[in-house]
Order: sequence, then C-alpha cells, then structure tokens
Amino acid sequence: ETGVTQSPTHLIKTRGQQVTLRCSSQSGHNTVSWYQQALGQGPQFIFQYYREEENGRGNFPPRFSGLQFPNYSSELNVNALELDDSALYLCASSLWTNTDTQYFGPGTRLTVL
Amino acid sequence: KQEVTQIPAALSVPEGENLVLNCSFTDSAIYNLQWFRQDPGKGLTSLLLIQSSQREQTSGRLNASLDKSSGRSTLYIAASQPGDSATYLCAVHSNYQLIWGAGTKLIIKP
Repeated sequence: ETGVTQSPTHLIKTRGQQVTLRCSSQSGHNTVSWYQQALGQGPQFIFQYYREEENGRGNFPPRFSGLQFPNYSSELNVNALELDDSALYLCASSLWTNTDTQYFGPGTRLTVL
Repeated sequence: KQEVTQIPAALSVPEGENLVLNCSFTDSAIYNLQWFRQDPGKGLTSLLLIQSSQREQTSGRLNASLDKSSGRSTLYIAASQPGDSATYLCAVHSNYQLIWGAGTKLIIKP
C-alpha cells in the first residue's frame, strides 16, 4: 500500500509569482484535504476535494485554488504569492466518512522571498 | 466555532518522568480526536486516534483519553525518553476538516 506523497519537498518563490503543489493520495482513498502550517502554529484547513469536487473550504482567499484528478491525486495552486504564504503545506487523504482517519504526506516547504 | 487549545505551550522534563499533555476544545460535536507528533521541519506522524464513542486509546507508552462532555483530552507519556522530544499536536475532526491546537513543544533532558 502506497502512502501519501507530496512534491516538491521544498520550493522557493518570489512575491507575486504563482506556485503549484502536488499530492498523491493513499491507494483506495477518494478524498484529499490541504492544510497550511505557518512556523510555530498548528495547521489551518485550506480546502477538501471529494471525487473531483471542492467539498469544503477554510478561511483562505480565492487565490488559493485546487484540483482533484480522476485518480484522486490533487494540486494546490496559489496565485500572487505573498510573504505570509511561506509555510509548510500538508496534504491528507482519506475515505469519505466523517469518522475516517486522515493520512498525511510529508509536506512541501514553501518559502516566499 | 470550534477552537482547540493546548496547554502547556512548552514543557521540559528529565528523562524517565511520566508526563501529561492537555488539549481542550470548545464544541463537543466531534467525530474523533487525534494526537500527532511533529519533529522539527518535518511532517506529521499520527500517534493515536480516539473515536467520539471511545474514552481512551493506548499504544505502547502512550495513552490518550477523551472526555467529550468537558471538551478535554489528555496524552499521557510514560517513562519519557530523549527520543520523545518533539512537538505534540491534537486535532479534532469536526465535519470534514481537522481543527488543530498550536501544539506543545516537549523537550526530554537526558
């Protein structure tokens, strides 16, 4: 069974640029959730995708957008990067039940200069 | 709105001590609660998950309890070791998302 993978591991961008982060869900999982973790804080929910549709969204602006593909992998896109977007971005996959465990990938460390 | 608080923010204890980390949440309507470990600059490792119908879960030297009515969970670590040094995060599963505390940074001194 393959776990959740994320790419790239690290990324450096400048303010105003756009970035795409990728996540491959665990085999058999059809739901992907994305979280942002700033330094010294707990993760914050960005959004969740279930069967290629956005299923819920946290308090993030529209420049944070996502996609889920038929194989249930997912992308997180961030436009017009700001310095405060520097964070660890975590992806988690699960089956679609509210009681199911979310399994996390290792994260992508984004630095915005 | 669900809020999760972890106390203390940091804890330093000598090796071998038993210790308790605390997590509180404001809305008892949760599906489950999960404890995670995070090493510096790394991702999250799931330690224990307690379903809302359960009172506690155990894994090795770790024991987590859940009291939904009071909005509290504790993570008990027995016979602490330097390798237990990390940040410990609790998260409640509320609807479709996990809502997180800010974590307790634990240092175990040899």
